[in-house]
Amino acid sequence: AQRVTQPEKLLSVFKGAPVELKCNYSYSGSPELFWYVQYSRQRLQLLLRHISRESIKGFTADLNKGETSFHLKKPFAQEEDSAMYYCALSGVSGGYNKLIFGAGTRLAVHP
Amino acid sequence: EPEVTQTPSHQVTQMGQEVILRCVPISNHLYFYWYRQILGQKVEFLVSFYNNEISEKSEIFDDQFSVERPDGSNFTLKIRSTKLEDSAMYFCASSKGQNIQYFGAGTRLSVL
Repeated sequence: AQRVTQPEKLLSVFKGAPVELKCNYSYSGSPELFWYVQYSRQRLQLLLRHISRESIKGFTADLNKGETSFHLKKPFAQEEDSAMYYCALSGVSGGYNKLIFGAGTRLAVHP
Repeated sequence: EPEVTQTPSHQVTQMGQEVILRCVPISNHLYFYWYRQILGQKVEFLVSFYNNEISEKSEIFDDQFSVERPDGSNFTLKIRSTKLEDSAMYFCASSKGQNIQYFGAGTRLSVL
């Protein structure tokens, strides 16, 4: 079964603290993994994807196929990082692949 | 920067009525999607659309749902006879085919 699990509904940290938002997946094959972010009253937007291997707004995520995980990390959280974060996967063949989302984790960064 | 546009932002309807949710995808995109999110639940895939036909649909997308691209810009989702459980946020997305989907701001559908 294709599934994305985000075990934490809410992650609350203080500014400057490290952040790790967990994501585990189940997929028969080689999926592509994404992190989408939704800031307050804004649309879902792509934060990063595993094949790009880049850092966006200080966030990184490494695909661990052995643990079937794609955790999102940032060494020093900022207040503006407060948002809803969704992990998602897609089939790797390209074209019109649906996204399968996790339930989301709300990150609250306190001053 | 081009965006996916959805109208209306909020739609209130009576149970049993038909609703049409509208989306204008990004102009050079070829693949179109609808997702929904019931309050407090996951974002769920409904349907994908390419080359003027449905390419995949979920089990949620039953006979009450239909999609159409009536002209070169709009992409619509129609629910023929709304039920209370259709109340949700509906998101339209589009992509060029590289697995990066761009989302609209959503339409909140409230069925009374």
